[in-house]
Amino acid sequence: DGGITQSPKYLFRKEGQNVTLSCEQNLNHDAMYWYRQDPGQGLRLIYYSQIVNDFQKGDIAEGYSVSREKKESFPLTVTSAQKNPTAFYLCASSITGTAYEQYFGPGTRLTVT
Amino acid sequence: QKEVEQNSGPLSVPEGAIASLNCTYSDRGSQSFFWYRQYSGKSPELIMFIYSNGDKEDGRFTAQLNKASQYVSLLIRDSQPSDSATYLCAARSGTYKYIFGTGTRLKVLA
Repeated sequence: DGGITQSPKYLFRKEGQNVTLSCEQNLNHDAMYWYRQDPGQGLRLIYYSQIVNDFQKGDIAEGYSVSREKKESFPLTVTSAQKNPTAFYLCASSITGTAYEQYFGPGTRLTVT
Repeated sequence: QKEVEQNSGPLSVPEGAIASLNCTYSDRGSQSFFWYRQYSGKSPELIMFIYSNGDKEDGRFTAQLNKASQYVSLLIRDSQPSDSATYLCAARSGTYKYIFGTGTRLKVLA
């Protein structure tokens, strides 16, 4: 089955700890994205990657880091510098074509206390 | 600031009726538009996309785009209680830049 997987589904961490969220896709999409969703707000872009070994900051990159060593994988690290890390994190990938449709993984809900 | 605006709702419709969801976008250069359905606690699921003026139909769903008015809509025919969800509208305003609205909550009453 083709799709995007994210793990874990739920993650609990203490303040001050770095945490890495996994995102893998087998859709053969070149571009991958990380968004954050908070209640009452639209999806906000953290980072995106057009191609392996290249990525760009989105609107809210501070306190986050990413890597893109393989086409299939785009992990996100939430560092202790991120002031409000508790959120629903969504990984996505997009098809290169006319519309550039974007598809989402199931998400990781991170709670930091 | 590029924006996509949606009425937050809730929009309540009786079962079997047509639900009409609307959004407007500010970036006239936006190239394609998307409707996602998001159930509570789940991730967004792409249900329709459109990039040409006019209508696009897929089963019970019709997306409508009017670039002159910067307006996108989604019609859901024969609404079912299982259609109750939040619907997100998104506009692609660059090759890799997607702007999302905050969503409209739809309630289909049995």
